[in-house]
Amino acid sequence: DAKTTQPTSMDCAEGRAANLPCNHSTISGNEYVYWYRQIHSQGPQYIIHGLKNNETNEMASLIITEDRKSSTLILPHATLRDTAVYYCIVRVDSGGGADGLTFGKGTHLIIQP
Amino acid sequence: DSGVTQTPKHLITATGQRVTLRCSPRSGDLSVYWYQQSLDQGLQFLIQYYNGEERAKGNILERFSAQQFPDLHSELNLSSLELGDSALYFCASSPGHRFNEKLFFGSGTQLSVL
Repeated sequence: DAKTTQPTSMDCAEGRAANLPCNHSTISGNEYVYWYRQIHSQGPQYIIHGLKNNETNEMASLIITEDRKSSTLILPHATLRDTAVYYCIVRVDSGGGADGLTFGKGTHLIIQP
Repeated sequence: DSGVTQTPKHLITATGQRVTLRCSPRSGDLSVYWYQQSLDQGLQFLIQYYNGEERAKGNILERFSAQQFPDLHSELNLSSLELGDSALYFCASSPGHRFNEKLFFGSGTQLSVL
């Protein structure tokens, strides 16, 4: 799977949009971008994933650049409960099905009141 | 609540001992994944089972083993425990084995080896 680079930590004011960047410059054509988050010592939680089109769900939006070398997770109206470590993961469709996701260090997002 | 149940929530044991961690996947999910999270290593994938069969292996030590039973619950066995095995152990499940499935994680078992 392609390697990802994320900032170690970020701050965001409550009520504002939180924009979390992820660099995946070695991504290949059949690799998907996934975002999970982990709120202090809880199990990771799926947020969103995409291939090349922008995606939106009830939790967040995922913006993937046209060259697919980077992406941004957007939490439109951050709340204190969004304070967590956010993981950007890229995974390939190997045709053999799913295997374990490889989590990096992630970005520690701190929402300030 | 993800629907994935892990027991026990906390486990304290001594070096050299053996423990078993249990995971019940979400209803209908056939795949179970085990992860280890320690302060210095982050989240590490250990092993995946799909419908009773081992499907993928990650950084699992030979002292560790797992299995998935016919009712789809899974157990992770850790033996000859060392201080460095102290960690949070997470189980996750997904419906099948497609690569683009969401994984649903349990709340974890905190293992302390003294």
